[in-house]
Formats: sequence, structure tokens, C-alpha cells
Amino acid sequence: DVKVTQSSRYLVKRTGEKVFLECVQDMDHENMFWYRQDPGLGLRLIYFSYDVKMKEKGDIPEGYSVSREKKERFSLILESASTNQTSMYLCASNMAGWGTEQNTEAFFGQGTRLTVV
Amino acid sequence: EDKVVQSPLSLVVHEGDTVTLNCSYEVTNFRSLLWYKQEKKAPTFLFMLTSSGIEKKSGRLSSILDKKELFSILNITATQTGDSAVYLCAGGPTGNQFYFGTGTSLTVIP
Repeated sequence: DVKVTQSSRYLVKRTGEKVFLECVQDMDHENMFWYRQDPGLGLRLIYFSYDVKMKEKGDIPEGYSVSREKKERFSLILESASTNQTSMYLCASNMAGWGTEQNTEAFFGQGTRLTVV
Repeated sequence: EDKVVQSPLSLVVHEGDTVTLNCSYEVTNFRSLLWYKQEKKAPTFLFMLTSSGIEKKSGRLSSILDKKELFSILNITATQTGDSAVYLCAGGPTGNQFYFGTGTSLTVIP
């Protein structure tokens, strides 16, 4: 079974702190994604990565950065956390390569509920 | 702008009812549509649809895609309380992004 693991289920951070959310997948997937999920807004893509050291902005990248130094690990970084970044963060991965014609389903981690106070 | 719209936003039914969830999409270079079920944890994959008019079934759940009218439906027959969840629809173009709808919250009461 594909496994996508997020390092924390719950986090509470203070405004201004630097926050790292870690995600690891064990299926050698090329693509990894970070979404945030808010009531009434659904899942919104923050960043995705299609290869090591490669990244693309999603719909809401402001206030976030990412790092993909190894294929299996994709980190989301909040440089200076703010209260409007309180949300559920979901990591996902899939095996479609960039430019291929076939998507495959994305597998999700269990989510990190981040509260910024 | 690419977008996926789901309806209704929420639904309450009795056990045994049949429900139909709707998903319409506007996705550039559309390639596939995915359905997920989300309880109080990570979304779990239900279906991927790439061809118009071909129904996919899994137990009491089924789904179909209409690429001409740009929508998909997810049917659940003989609903059970364990079907209570948020159902997410996502449209995928070529490449790697998935555009998600806001979800339909289904509550099945005994």
C-alpha cells in the first residue's frame, strides 16, 4: 500500500514563528503536493513538485515556500506564521510524470491541523 | 480560470436512500476526474474517470463522466451511516495539478 506520512497530526505555533511541515512518501512517486483545506473553500493547492529540487506554485503560494531535496520528502515552510494560516494541511503524491498524458490518483497523508495563535 | 464546482454543498438522507452528488468542471487540457471520500482524516480514493459514458462501480457506489457537458455524478445506493463523509471531486489536466471542488457533505441518519 502506498503510504504518505505527515510528521505531525496537530501543531500549535505562535505568530511569527517559522514552521516546517514534513511529508514523506514511500512509493517512489515523482509528484508531491501540498494543499490546505478550509471550510467552504475545499482543497487549495499551495505548491507542487514534479521532481527533486523542482517546484511549481499552486493557487495560493503566498506566505509559503517548499523544499524537495530528496524524492520521497516534500517540506512545506511557513516563513513567518500568521493567524490566517491556521488550517488543515494535506500532503499528497502521485506517480504521473510531467507532461505525461495519464494522471494517476493522488494518495493523501493524514493531514496536519495547524493552529497559529 | 480552472475550477471544479460540486453540488449540493450538503445533504442529509435516511439510511436506505439513494443519493446523487454532482461535479462540474472547467479544466484546461482536462484529462481525468477523480472522486474521493473524506471522513475525519485523509481523503481516500474512490474513482478515476477518463472516458465519457463509461460507468465505474464499486459496491453501492458508481460514477460516470460526461465530457461533452463537463460534469460527473457519483451515485450511492442503499446508503448506510458509514457513508457519512465529505465527498470530493477533482479535475486533472495533463501534467500534475488537481483542482478540487469544495466537497459535498453527506450525512446519513438511521
